Amino acid sequence: DAGITQSPRYKITETGRQVTLMCHQTWSHSYMFWYRQDLGHGLRLIYYSAAADITDKGEVPDGYVVSRSKTENFPLTLESATRSQTSVYFCASSSWGSGAPVEEQYFGPGTRLTVT
Amino acid sequence: QKEVEQNSGPLSVPEGAIASLNCTYSDRGSQSFFWYRQYSGKSPELIMFIYSNGDKEDGRFTAQLNKASQYVSLLIRDSQPSDSATYLCAVKAGNQFYFGTGTSLTVIP
Repeated sequence: DAGITQSPRYKITETGRQVTLMCHQTWSHSYMFWYRQDLGHGLRLIYYSAAADITDKGEVPDGYVVSRSKTENFPLTLESATRSQTSVYFCASSSWGSGAPVEEQYFGPGTRLTVT
Repeated sequence: QKEVEQNSGPLSVPEGAIASLNCTYSDRGSQSFFWYRQYSGKSPELIMFIYSNGDKEDGRFTAQLNKASQYVSLLIRDSQPSDSATYLCAVKAGNQFYFGTGTSLTVIP
């Protein structure tokens, strides 16, 4: 199916465990982003990637690791999960930088992560 | 710290009325401005973007940008119950996008 998908959609994990959230897009968009959404904070950028093997920090990168070995995939890893990382995580992609007229971001359906 | 501020609401308007949503931003270097709509439990979707000072109209939606005042607004004319959602203001500065906390809009039939 075309579009942007995230897995898992729901995840419960314990403090201290490593968790990886997956993101896959079929448009070959150059840019991909990871956000977290919390009440009172809105969407905050964790990491973004301009292309395969190019990643950069956003507003709230601490405790997270990303990689992008292929254009279509952008996994987010919580190396040692903490309760403060309980949130809804959205992955997004954008054709920005590829000559697209609009810097639109397309969001995945989100992953609801609970850290106990 | 780049900030994007929105009134959290909730904002309630009767069906058919005009809904006015406001947003201010702190970074004068911001280049592009967006309004996303997010239904409860869903992901955000783009409804308007604006790059230049002035008004931009698309159907029932009008985005207004005033860079001197660092102010962006969204007007929704002839509001419909299906417009009930949270509206997120987003600003692009450099390579990053900054979002406000969103304004919750309820359109009352």
